[in-house]
Amino acid sequence: KAGVTQTPRYLIKTRGQQVTLSCSPISGHRSVSWYQQTPGQGLQFLFEYFSETQRNKGNFPGRFSGRQFSNSRSEMNVSTLELGDSALYLCASSLGSGFDIQYFGAGTRLSVL
Amino acid sequence: KQEVTQIPAALSVPEGENLVLNCSFTDSAIYNLQWFRQDPGKGLTSLLLIQSSQREQTSGRLNASLDKSSGRSTLYIAASQPGDSATYLCAVLHNAGNMLTFGGGTRLMVKP
Repeated sequence: KAGVTQTPRYLIKTRGQQVTLSCSPISGHRSVSWYQQTPGQGLQFLFEYFSETQRNKGNFPGRFSGRQFSNSRSEMNVSTLELGDSALYLCASSLGSGFDIQYFGAGTRLSVL
Repeated sequence: KQEVTQIPAALSVPEGENLVLNCSFTDSAIYNLQWFRQDPGKGLTSLLLIQSSQREQTSGRLNASLDKSSGRSTLYIAASQPGDSATYLCAVLHNAGNMLTFGGGTRLMVKP
C-alpha cells in the first residue's frame, strides 16, 4: 500500500510569490492534515480537511489556505510569501475517526529568499 | 490551550542501554497520544498510538505508557541501538478533529 506522497520535495521561492504544495493520502483515507515545522516553533497545525471540508484550522494568517478534492488529495497554498514561511511542510492522512493513527509524508522543504 | 512538553531535549547514551523519554501535557481531556520518530530532514514515522482508555502499548523494543490523570506519558526503549538515533516526538489529540499538538521532541543519540 503506497504511503502519503508529498510533491514537490523541495521548493525555492522569493518573497511575495505564491506557492502550492500537494499531498496524496493513503488510499481509503479521508482526512488530510497539514503542519508547519520550523526550528524555532516546532510542529504547528495548519488545518485539516475531511471529505472536502475544512474541519479544523490552526492559528495561521489567511495567506495560508487549502483545499481537498473528491479523491481526498489535498493542496495547500501560501500567498505573498514571507521569509518566515521557510519551513518543512508536512501532511498527514488518516481514516478520520479521531481515534486512528495519522501517517505522515516526507514533507516539502520550502525556502523563501 | 493544550501544551505538550518533552524532557530531556537531548539525550546521549551508549549502545545497549535502556532509556526513558518523557512527555507531559496540560489538558488531560485527550482522545489519544501518539509517539513519532523523525530522522533528520525526513517526515514522521508513527511508533505507537495509545487511546485515552489505555494505559500502555508495546511494539518490539518500545513500550509507551499513558497516565491521563497526571498528564504524562513515557516511551521506554529497551537495549538501545545506534539505529535508534533520531528525534522522538509525542503528540496529543484533544478534539474531535485530527489536530495534533506536538511536544518539542527529544533528540536521541545512541553511541556504538
